[in-house]
Amino acid sequence: GQQLNQSPQSMFIQEGEDVSMNCTSSSIFNTWLWYKQDPGEGPVLLIALYKAGELTSNGRLTAQFGITRKDSFLNISASIPSDVGIYFCAGRGPSIGAQKLVFGQGTRLTINP
Amino acid sequence: DAGVIQSPRHEVTEMGQEVTLRCKPISGHNSLFWYRQTMMRGLELLIYFNNNVPIDDSGMPEDRFSAKMPNASFSTLKIQPSEPRDSAVYFCASSQLSYEQYFGPGTRLTVT
Repeated sequence: GQQLNQSPQSMFIQEGEDVSMNCTSSSIFNTWLWYKQDPGEGPVLLIALYKAGELTSNGRLTAQFGITRKDSFLNISASIPSDVGIYFCAGRGPSIGAQKLVFGQGTRLTINP
Repeated sequence: DAGVIQSPRHEVTEMGQEVTLRCKPISGHNSLFWYRQTMMRGLELLIYFNNNVPIDDSGMPEDRFSAKMPNASFSTLKIQPSEPRDSAVYFCASSQLSYEQYFGPGTRLTVT
């Protein structure tokens, strides 16, 4: 089945630094989603991408749908303490059910004040 | 607006007991998804419904698991009998004619 490789698995940064993470797939995806999960809560949708090359921002967050349709990137600028959490990418590919999403393993972000 | 509602938030039960998890999707959403999250396996899709009809249950681990959606505003995930390896956080998510899924807060299940 389709798999997503998300990296890095964890990040330890200083407050104010920029953050970059990415997801890659072994096959083409038609949709990329980025979620954030806080401890004890469910994942919260941050950004949705639907077209190859699409670049979308949500405040300090920017995500891109890779041109090859096999990858996506999430950047966070000027990190703040509330950015701490686990970030997941999710993708929808043409070879699986129309609404099924495949999730990456997550990137755990820790910020030192 | 209310998001996806799940109950209970925490469930502790003994091996062999029946467990029922409940979900109320966002009003107007026509698709509902049940996921399981563990440290080892991450987020796994168990089953999803479109317009109350089960579409894909290939992720359901075994016959001990069953899910129903009797109407557009309610779904249950039942485990009978429960086993310690079922301990996980179970999430319900819903969506409306799109691929953007909105998750509930989850039910943390512990089977002793």
